[in-house]
Amino acid sequence: GDSVTQMEGPVTLSEEAFLTINCTYTATGYPSLFWYVQYPGEGLQLLLKATKADDKGSNKGFEATYRKETTSFHLEKGSVQVSDSAVYFCALTITGGGNKLTFGTGTQLKVEL
Amino acid sequence: EAQVTQNPRYLITVTGKKLTVTCSQNMNHEYMSWYRQDPGLGLRQIYYSMNVEVTDKGDVPEGYKVSRKEKRNFPLILESPSPNQTSLYFCASSAAGQETQYFGPGTRLLVL
Repeated sequence: GDSVTQMEGPVTLSEEAFLTINCTYTATGYPSLFWYVQYPGEGLQLLLKATKADDKGSNKGFEATYRKETTSFHLEKGSVQVSDSAVYFCALTITGGGNKLTFGTGTQLKVEL
Repeated sequence: EAQVTQNPRYLITVTGKKLTVTCSQNMNHEYMSWYRQDPGLGLRQIYYSMNVEVTDKGDVPEGYKVSRKEKRNFPLILESPSPNQTSLYFCASSAAGQETQYFGPGTRLLVL
């Protein structure tokens, strides 16, 4: 079946540090890939997405590139802020698969001053 | 404001006492879904609905029921809750043909 694997957390960084959260996937069909963010006490919000190979999704300084050859969708940000502290989920959905999202386990990010 | 709402946000109950968690969306979305979030497991789909009167099981449907009598509402029913259903529950919706899903704020359930 379909699955998403993302790096274990928690990840603790200093403000202005570079962030990478690794995400790899296995899929039976042709997936679209997503990063969702969950701030403390809130629901999930879409951060960015990519729907085909080599697409780059970007939002709020975060980026991720859909790499079909390595089945990866790593999240990056050049300079994190304290306000980026949250849990980040990598997810996929299969085109024509009824919109079901398959999630990774989530990576907690804590940014300190 | 476009949104997905859930009620209640927090609920403590006892084993066997039937409960319903409501979900409503105001975006006229066809697709609605329920997920549960557990530590170390991420979010897992419980049930989904492609439209009114069309529902189907997700990955972890045991112990849950749903109904979709109106397009905007998709309640989650626990007929006889058990402690292993203690979790954080999210409702989500999306438009037909659109992959982006919109999530509610979550319902934290504790079953004693």
